[in-house]
Amino acid sequence: QQQVKQSPQSLIVQKGGISIINCAYENTAFDYFPWYQQFPGKGPALLIAIRPDVSEKKEGRFTISFNKSAKQFSLHIMDSQPGDSATYFCAASINAGNMLTFGGGTRLMVKP
Amino acid sequence: DVKVTQSSRYLVKRTGEKVFLECVQDMDHENMFWYRQDPGLGLRLIYFSYDVKMKEKGDIPEGYSVSREKKERFSLILESASTNQTSMYLCASSLAGMRETQYFGPGTRLLVL
Repeated sequence: QQQVKQSPQSLIVQKGGISIINCAYENTAFDYFPWYQQFPGKGPALLIAIRPDVSEKKEGRFTISFNKSAKQFSLHIMDSQPGDSATYFCAASINAGNMLTFGGGTRLMVKP
Repeated sequence: DVKVTQSSRYLVKRTGEKVFLECVQDMDHENMFWYRQDPGLGLRLIYFSYDVKMKEKGDIPEGYSVSREKKERFSLILESASTNQTSMYLCASSLAGMRETQYFGPGTRLLVL
């Protein structure tokens, strides 16, 4: 049973479009929510992260939106580029700890 | 730059064999992790080590053991490999503070026949 549910499993977006990946969790003890990006043949790498005391965090074209009451958070990629094609994982940790619980992953393909 | 290296990119083993997966990090990180990655299931934590000779079970430790004799090296051991352990195995490391970034190796794709 996954504690962090991620959707969709795969996503195809046209270049310049907005990519949206959603995650939901049940454990209210989660208090840190990073997103990791994984290119083929590589290990995941931290992309962006949010704490629950803010509702949104933006870094360049990447934005995390966080809804504490709904226990949901999402990643928005604006002006999606073919170079953004990768697998994205949301994750959560308890008490800002070091053990992460990951979602199932979303394979994003951005078509030129 | 943090570098996490894994001993093999691809490995083929037979059922019942003992398998060792090695991971080395060069940034003096206290924490090291072993995950397995399967389609649709994301990354699942097998074991976590927060110091030399210290370990904690993750979500799916059954069938695995680990060894950390030196700070920079963390080994995953499959005592008797089974076909359901065919997977991608990822090692990661991090500092010991709060909300620390985990740095991942490139992974070892293990096929158990």
